[in-house]
Amino acid sequence: DQQVKQNSPSLSVQEGRISILNCDYTNSMFDYFLWYKKYPAEGPTFLISISSIKDKNEDGRFTVFLNKSAKHLSLHIVPSQPGDSAVYFCAASGSPGGTSYGKLTFGQGTILTVHP
Amino acid sequence: SQTIHQWPATLVQPVGSPLSLECTVEGTSNPNLYWYRQAAGRGLQLLFYSVGIGQISSEVPQNLSASRPQDRQFILSSKKLLLSDSGFYLCAWSDPARGSGNTIYFGEGSWLTVV
Repeated sequence: DQQVKQNSPSLSVQEGRISILNCDYTNSMFDYFLWYKKYPAEGPTFLISISSIKDKNEDGRFTVFLNKSAKHLSLHIVPSQPGDSAVYFCAASGSPGGTSYGKLTFGQGTILTVHP
Repeated sequence: SQTIHQWPATLVQPVGSPLSLECTVEGTSNPNLYWYRQAAGRGLQLLFYSVGIGQISSEVPQNLSASRPQDRQFILSSKKLLLSDSGFYLCAWSDPARGSGNTIYFGEGSWLTVV
């Protein structure tokens, strides 16, 4: 049962344009969502997060949007840079008292390639 | 600041041999600790979760075990490795005092190849 899904295995974008990475979830008990960036043979690096009480969180070139009714979140990178090329994982955790509290459930990842 | 280290970074082990991966966290107390695995072409799967010394939750049935002998030390073990244990293993920590805003921070990862 894949509770967090990233349906696009890969995305290719031109430098300077916008990258949009998408993520869907099925567990309505999830209330905290995160995006991680991962290079090969390294641990994931935390990028940005959003609580379910918000619908948008922005940090520099990175913005995460949350649509709770659709159980969908997205990561926008503007402008995209070649150094952004990596695997991006979305993740979710649940509210206190739930079985997913304190633990992250990850999507399968999306490989982003930004071309110069 | 908090840091997390795991070792060894890479290892090649024959089928049936034992395994021990070690992880330590510095700069924090009473962290939640995790072992994740990334198999080839797949996402990150939670293997074990610990909220305190000697307290281990196993998330998936498997050939591996985990132990937490000290507050900031987490060990992943196996008595006899299988080919299917190959993968990229990640130790991670979080601060339970942050409540539901619970960001997890990862170590550098360990590549295990079982031959």
